[in-house]
Amino acid sequence: EPEVTQTPSHQVTQMGQEVILRCVPISNHLYFYWYRQILGQKVEFLVSFYNNEISEKSEIFDDQFSVERPDGSNFTLKIRSTKLEDSAMYFCASTVEGSGQYFGPGTRLTVT
Amino acid sequence: GESVGLHLPTLSVQEGDNSIINCAYSNSASDYFIWYKQESGKGPQFIIDIRSNMDKRQGQRVTVLLNKTVKHLSLQIAATQPGDSAVYFCAENKGYSTLTFGKGTMLLVSP
Repeated sequence: EPEVTQTPSHQVTQMGQEVILRCVPISNHLYFYWYRQILGQKVEFLVSFYNNEISEKSEIFDDQFSVERPDGSNFTLKIRSTKLEDSAMYFCASTVEGSGQYFGPGTRLTVT
Repeated sequence: GESVGLHLPTLSVQEGDNSIINCAYSNSASDYFIWYKQESGKGPQFIIDIRSNMDKRQGQRVTVLLNKTVKHLSLQIAATQPGDSAVYFCAENKGYSTLTFGKGTMLLVSP
């Protein structure tokens, strides 16, 4: 069964460093999303992406964040200068039109 | 924004029992609802969905009920198994917009 994949599974970085989280959505999906989940809290929306542009973003998704679909398969989230409070699980999700969003296994980001 | 903190509502059941997990959603304009299961250290896993033009939908061992009048969603799991132990979230959206997740309920199934 097709699934969303994410790399790395765990990323440790120092405060102020840039990180890039990678996702490979399900191949026939057209809508892509990033969510995050701080330990013990609910999943929070960051950004949605469709037709090679951001379609919606939350107030969490400030100028330090960016997304890109550099080729036909990858979807990346970049955090330019990480802060301690960016430590969380980051989930990528994708969907075709009108169906549920399918989530990847997540990347655990630890900022020290 | 809303803060959940570390304490989730917990439902403890015996293996073989039927489980009912409830969710109150917030947006009366939402037209699509999903239940997700999240095991420790993993991403949310799609279980079942329902559109607002329906009030019930059944899957394998799971049933979702939607009451739009009171903005309430429930997930029924038949013959609950230890492998069903996880946190269950409801999520809502309108159109293809972002999902808004509920707080989650932890289901604990004892053998």
